[in-house]
Amino acid sequence: DAKTTQPNSMESNEEEPVHLPCNHSTISGTDYIHWYRQLPSQGPEYVIHGLTSNVNNRMASLAIAEDRKSSTLILHRATLRDAAVYYCIRPMNAGNMLTFGGGTRLMVKP
Amino acid sequence: DGGITQSPKYLFRKEGQNVTLSCEQNLNHDAMYWYRQDPGQGLRLIYYSQIVNDFQKGDIAEGYSVSREKKESFPLTVTSAQKNPTAFYLCASNSNRSNKNIQYFGAGTRLSVL
Repeated sequence: DAKTTQPNSMESNEEEPVHLPCNHSTISGTDYIHWYRQLPSQGPEYVIHGLTSNVNNRMASLAIAEDRKSSTLILHRATLRDAAVYYCIRPMNAGNMLTFGGGTRLMVKP
Repeated sequence: DGGITQSPKYLFRKEGQNVTLSCEQNLNHDAMYWYRQDPGQGLRLIYYSQIVNDFQKGDIAEGYSVSREKKESFPLTVTSAQKNPTAFYLCASNSNRSNKNIQYFGAGTRLSVL
């Protein structure tokens, strides 16, 4: 049970912003939200994580809803190299384990 | 450079054969993980280890075995009992001392059956 819900796929045009949604309605008050992405034939790589506030880093921004039941990963200007599967993840109840669901396959059109 | 190294990149298994996938990390991480990924699917946890000389079964441990004799190394053996081993295998690690749970992944090993 990945405990998060994401669309199976999304499309974007190159150099346009992309908003990737994630629902996590059963999240607890102390669970971080993590985003990873997986390029074709590679291992996943960490993108960003957050708890309550919106977060920015060099790769993306993370907007977390006030009730924390959903979040949105924002790529400000999509490039062809951003085409990947994006996973929204909550940690499992115990330990440091992460459960990867199916993710959202992002396709970027030139 | 620090990171996780998986080898080999490609591996072929004959019927009835055991094969071992290597995973080494120099990040000084306590916890290490093995995942399996089938085409078009997410990752499923096979085994994990939070500390040296200790490991736990994940969701799909049947037909697999691991060892954790050194902090840096967490090899995965795909035994002949695993009847459908063709998949992409990913190793990851993270630090138990952080509550941020950021996992770092290797480049993966693609296993096929001859």
